[in-house]
Amino acid sequence: EAQVTQNPRYLITVTGKKLTVTCSQNMNHEYMSWYRQDPGLGLRQIYYSMNVEVTDKGDVPEGYKVSRKEKRNFPLILESPSPNQTSLYFCASTYNPRSNSPLHFGNGTRLTVT
Amino acid sequence: AQSVTQLGSHVSVSEGALVLLRCNYSSSVPPYLFWYVQYPNQGLQLLLKYTTGATLVKGINGFEAEFKKSETSFHLTKPSAHMSDAAEYFCAVSDRGSTGGFKTIFGAGTRLFVKA
Repeated sequence: EAQVTQNPRYLITVTGKKLTVTCSQNMNHEYMSWYRQDPGLGLRQIYYSMNVEVTDKGDVPEGYKVSRKEKRNFPLILESPSPNQTSLYFCASTYNPRSNSPLHFGNGTRLTVT
Repeated sequence: AQSVTQLGSHVSVSEGALVLLRCNYSSSVPPYLFWYVQYPNQGLQLLLKYTTGATLVKGINGFEAEFKKSETSFHLTKPSAHMSDAAEYFCAVSDRGSTGGFKTIFGAGTRLFVKA
């Protein structure tokens, strides 16, 4: 089954404790992206990757890191989480972002930073 | 830069009534347009997407969207609401970003409530 898999689904952590949210897709998509969803703000892009070893900042990249060493994986790293990073995070992928090829989303990771 | 505006953060309709969710985008050149739906505790899934040259686009679950270039709008409709349509709906635009890469920009979302 074609899917985007995120782990974990829920995560509670404390300020400053490094964490990684994993994302994997099995559709051989070139493009992958991370979003955060906050009430009233819709989805805002954190980072995206056009291909292996090619990443770029989205609209809200501060406090986040990503890497794209393999085509299927695109982990999101919070080196020193802070309470304002409490949010719902989504990983998404698509075959060709330069077209009307839609995004495929994971089921989300709800992060709480205390 | 592209922007997407969804009018109404909440819309409430009765079961069987018309659903109308509004979306306006900012570009004068039609970008790639999408509607996504999000059910509770799930990721977003594609409802429909704009196809170049079309004015009316049909999607899943009886939804359709009308593209009006003159109004830069892509409103979502469904003739008769069902209880299972209760969800949050996002309009999205995919376009070239300022750094050259393509990005998808989402509206703030409209939560649809369906009353029995």
